[in-house]
Amino acid sequence: ILNVEQSPQSLHVQEGDSTNFTCSFPSSNFYALHWYRWETAKSPEALFVMTLNGDEKKKGRISATLNTKEGYSYLYIKGSQPEDSATYLCAFKDNFNKFYFGSGTKLNVKP
Amino acid sequence: NAGVTQTPKFQVLKTGQSMTLQCAQDMNHEYMSWYRQDPGMGLRLIHYSVGAGITDQGEVPNGYNVSRSTTEDFPLRLLSAAPSQTSVYFCASSYSLRGGLVDTQYFGPGTRLTVL
Repeated sequence: ILNVEQSPQSLHVQEGDSTNFTCSFPSSNFYALHWYRWETAKSPEALFVMTLNGDEKKKGRISATLNTKEGYSYLYIKGSQPEDSATYLCAFKDNFNKFYFGSGTKLNVKP
Repeated sequence: NAGVTQTPKFQVLKTGQSMTLQCAQDMNHEYMSWYRQDPGMGLRLIHYSVGAGITDQGEVPNGYNVSRSTTEDFPLRLLSAAPSQTSVYFCASSYSLRGGLVDTQYFGPGTRLTVL
């Protein structure tokens, strides 16, 4: 069983704070790293797909980086807003078409 | 496009009963997958398919069967339900991965299953 770890498990920030989360994964058999945003009572929605070491992706105030050699990815949120409150999931895809999800970081942004 | 649809939304079974969770997508995606979501454990892959006629096991396949006779449908069968299968089940689909093309997964709304 492949281990994908996310930290922290939960995070409480004030509106306007910037924050970041970590996703750790094995560096062998790496194919891609996905980030998803999961709001309560909804389905996960894709944020980013990254495949190359050093990849950086950005969507509005959210960005992500990837280090495949050391096996980690960071997700950054600049100037958090209450609507950013959600669970953020990362998923490691191996060379055999299998996805392994972390257990997520639950973000709560207080107005 | 309806995207990824799942039925039913809720289901209660007794131990030993069998049932099929339905999943369909209208985006012509070749890759489809089933996950279960349990508290504190994230999403775990049950079975997946890279195209019609091809299925493979994920991380937690025991007690579940799948088939992929068409591109659109990927049903998940519980052969003899057990309380340990109480969970929320998500189906997902994405573009072809056979040629190495990687794309994001689109998730269905989920099925909440309780086994008594």
